[in-house]
Amino acid sequence: GIQVEQSPPDLILQEGANSTLRCNFSDSVNNLQWFHQNPWGQLINLFYIPSGTKQNGRLSATTVATERYSLLYISSSQTTDSGVYFCAAKFYGGSQGNLIFGKGTKLSVKP
Amino acid sequence: EPEVTQTPSHQVTQMGQEVILRCVPISNHLYFYWYRQILGQKVEFLVSFYNNEISEKSEIFDDQFSVERPDGSNFTLKIRSTKLEDSAMYFCASRDRGPDHPYEQYFGPGTRLTVT
Repeated sequence: GIQVEQSPPDLILQEGANSTLRCNFSDSVNNLQWFHQNPWGQLINLFYIPSGTKQNGRLSATTVATERYSLLYISSSQTTDSGVYFCAAKFYGGSQGNLIFGKGTKLSVKP
Repeated sequence: EPEVTQTPSHQVTQMGQEVILRCVPISNHLYFYWYRQILGQKVEFLVSFYNNEISEKSEIFDDQFSVERPDGSNFTLKIRSTKLEDSAMYFCASRDRGPDHPYEQYFGPGTRLTVT
């Protein structure tokens, strides 16, 4: 069946370090979103990126749709980057666009 | 910037009671969704709603759940007889079908439901 898989499941960084989070998806997508879940449980929309590359400050994302993966880059990490990062995909043929979420990468940034 | 809002932020209820979770989607959006996240797990799709009817639902969305758009702004999720396993964070989301980001969903801050 259709799947979204994220790696690594857990990541511990020292403040200032860079990191790359990966999202693999099992079929063609027409939506791929990255979210950050903060300590209050809110899902913060980071990127809408079904293909290509985008940057927003210290964060950037790249989706290679033909190879069915997306990467989220965090540079110069800060303690406030801690939390869980989810990718979610809407697969071609899905009727009204519901998103399939991965299990997330839990990021801990130590001071 | 327009945003999706949800009320209440936290709801505590007793097993067997009915709860209604409320959402106000972004005003020009046409597609509405409910998702849930059990503590420590991934976010799961519950139901999508378009043109005043359910367009898709997951196997989680059984007969105890219902959705409604009672007026032009609110979108509600009702759980008829809550169970302990309904304890979760419930997210509302909405999207339009504009040309720029046709499938991008905007999520509300969530309602944390605790069933005791």
